[in-house]
Amino acid sequence: QVQLQESGPGLVKPSQTLSLTCTVSGGSMNNCECYWTWFRQRPGKGLEWIGNIFHSGSTDYNPSLKSRVVISADTSENQFSLKVNSVTAADTAVYYCARESYDYWRFDTWGQGTLVTVS
Amino acid sequence: SSELTQDPAVSVALGQTVRITCHGDSLRSYYANWYQQKPGQAPILIIYGNDNRPSGISDRFSGSSAGDTASLTITGAQAEDEADYYCNSRDSSGDHVVLGGGTQLTVL
Repeated sequence: QVQLQESGPGLVKPSQTLSLTCTVSGGSMNNCECYWTWFRQRPGKGLEWIGNIFHSGSTDYNPSLKSRVVISADTSENQFSLKVNSVTAADTAVYYCARESYDYWRFDTWGQGTLVTVS
Repeated sequence: SSELTQDPAVSVALGQTVRITCHGDSLRSYYANWYQQKPGQAPILIIYGNDNRPSGISDRFSGSSAGDTASLTITGAQAEDEADYYCNSRDSSGDHVVLGGGTQLTVL
């Protein structure tokens, strides 16, 4: 059974780059027709889709974040990553990685989430 | 990008039935999925493909879809069902993820 685990700094200074990694275990990213996805949830707010990377390497981003976000994958390490540059306090959130299965476009697997504070 | 609309909050008496809805034009063409999120926890998938339950999900949860509206029904709501519920689908082109704003369910 595939599991996801986010990792990265919990504190980032304003104007710097937020970098997170999601490690996939229990299955190979290469063997999955999946969209590897990042979400975030600001304190007291709803889920916000950030973007994804398909197994082919193509990416898609939320238009509201597109200018500051890059999602990449290292399939040899079975990991995918998120970078958000020029962060402000508004980027303080719990960040989740998730797997979107190509059938039904369902997010069937989620990481536990990691809190990133910009301060 | 939130092109699916949900009521921000809904309440239900313990043991009663509640329906949570999700509206969006793309639902005429694409499946709806539903997620439950409890405080401090990651979301979990509870309904996919409009009306399918993943293994391990209580049969109190059911889903349906008609026209531009998808619905999540909780039959015999329990205290542990108090949570936020989100719907998601694809946009009308099928190329982009769309997500509802979430519904906070209170069990009275």
